[in-house]
Amino acid sequence: GQQLNQSPQSMFIQEGEDVSMNCTSSSIFNTWLWYKQDPGEGPVLLIALYKAGELTSNGRLTAQFGITRKDSFLNISASIPSDVGIYFCAGQGNNDMRFGAGTRLTVKP
Amino acid sequence: NAGVTQTPKFQVLKTGQSMTLQCAQDMNHEYMSWYRQDPGMGLRLIHYSVGAGITDQGEVPNGYNVSRSTTEDFPLRLLSAAPSQTSVYFCASTTLGAYLKGGYTFGSGTRLTVV
Repeated sequence: GQQLNQSPQSMFIQEGEDVSMNCTSSSIFNTWLWYKQDPGEGPVLLIALYKAGELTSNGRLTAQFGITRKDSFLNISASIPSDVGIYFCAGQGNNDMRFGAGTRLTVKP
Repeated sequence: NAGVTQTPKFQVLKTGQSMTLQCAQDMNHEYMSWYRQDPGMGLRLIHYSVGAGITDQGEVPNGYNVSRSTTEDFPLRLLSAAPSQTSVYFCASTTLGAYLKGGYTFGSGTRLTVV
C-alpha cells in the first residue's frame, strides 16, 4: 500500500521557536492534509492542500503541497504551549486516506 | 453537540470474546470510516461506507465486520478478539462532497485492550 514517511518522529522545542515537519510518499496524492491530535482525542484537521505547489496558511501554521505531489511540509511559527500534541500528515488518493506515523511535539515554556 | 460519538471510551476483552464498537454521527454525513491507531504507524483504514447499505474494506479489514443500516450509525464488530487487535479505534465521517478532499470529523476514540 501507499506509505507516508513523516519526520521527525518527535521534537522538543522552546516556546517561541519555529517548527518544521515534513512528509514524503512513494505515490502521488490528490490532496495533502495536516491533522493535530491532542491526548485522548481524535485528530482535528488543520490545513488541507489541493494543488501541487499550493502554499496555505492558517494563523501561525503554513503548509505546502509539493510540486511532485509526493510530499508536503508543515511549519509552525512562534510556538506556544498549546501547540503540544501529535501532528499527522495524510494523503488522500482515489479511494482512501493514508496517514503518516506522526510527529510528537513538546513545547517547553 | 453535533459530531461523531464513539462508545465505549475504554474496553478490556479476553482473547476470543466478541464485541461491537459503536459510532454515531448527527451531521447527516454519507461517508463513515473506521481507523485503528497503533504506536509508530499512524492511522490505518479498517472499513468504510459511502452510504446506508454500502460498505467496503480498507487497508486492514481482517478480523472486523461492519454494517451500515442507517446514515447515522456505523458499528464495528470484533467477532473473536485477538491480542493483535489491541489498539485505539477511531471513527470518522464526512460528506461525499468532501470525501475526496479529506476533511474528516473524527470521534474521540475507543481504547481497546485484548488480554
